[in-house]
Amino acid sequence: QLHLQESGPGLVRASETLSLTCSVSGGSVGSSSYFWGWIRQPPGKALEWIGAVYYSGRVYYNPSLNSRASISVDTSQNHFSLELTSVTAADTATYYCAPGYNSGWWFPWGQGVVVAVSS
Amino acid sequence: QSVLTQPPSASGTPGQAVTISCSGSTSNIGSSAVSWYQHVPGTAPRILIYINDQRPSGVPDRFSGSWSGTSASLAISGLQSDDEADYYCAVWDADMHGWVFGGGTKLTVL
Repeated sequence: QLHLQESGPGLVRASETLSLTCSVSGGSVGSSSYFWGWIRQPPGKALEWIGAVYYSGRVYYNPSLNSRASISVDTSQNHFSLELTSVTAADTATYYCAPGYNSGWWFPWGQGVVVAVSS
Repeated sequence: QSVLTQPPSASGTPGQAVTISCSGSTSNIGSSAVSWYQHVPGTAPRILIYINDQRPSGVPDRFSGSWSGTSASLAISGLQSDDEADYYCAVWDADMHGWVFGGGTKLTVL
């Protein structure tokens, strides 16, 4: 059974880069059975998809992030990472990582990590 | 503003049934499989339904999914107090080349 755990700083200064890591156990980030993604939830708002990296190496991002997001996979560490540049208060959120199935669903989700952007 | 429209709230009394709708378009629900998630703030979202109407093992059969054209629905029967949560639909959008989530529906069990 896959298990995912997010990690990273809980506080990031405005205009700097937010960096998060999702550690995967119970499976391999190099597996062709899944793709790997990040989703966030700002306080009081809905879930928002950030991006996903596929087995082919192709990466898709939410256009609303204006090219600020970057997702990469490290098979040697069995984790994948998110970098979000030029953060603002609007990037304050709980960030979740999850594997996606090609048939179109996300399971299981990590517990989430709260990130606040300070001015 | 999400490309998937859900009612912001729904409610029912214990034992009742409730249905939550998710309205999209031909570029998302009309062409890709919908999944549904239950989310209690502060916890990991939980998958309820995948590929429109399939229920993962461990999810009670009180939860069911359906879809038609560009809309999908999640039905919950025999409401229980611990069903109080936020519910989200999600699907791949071919125009956006990305995943979209609905705006979420907050379910209150009165």
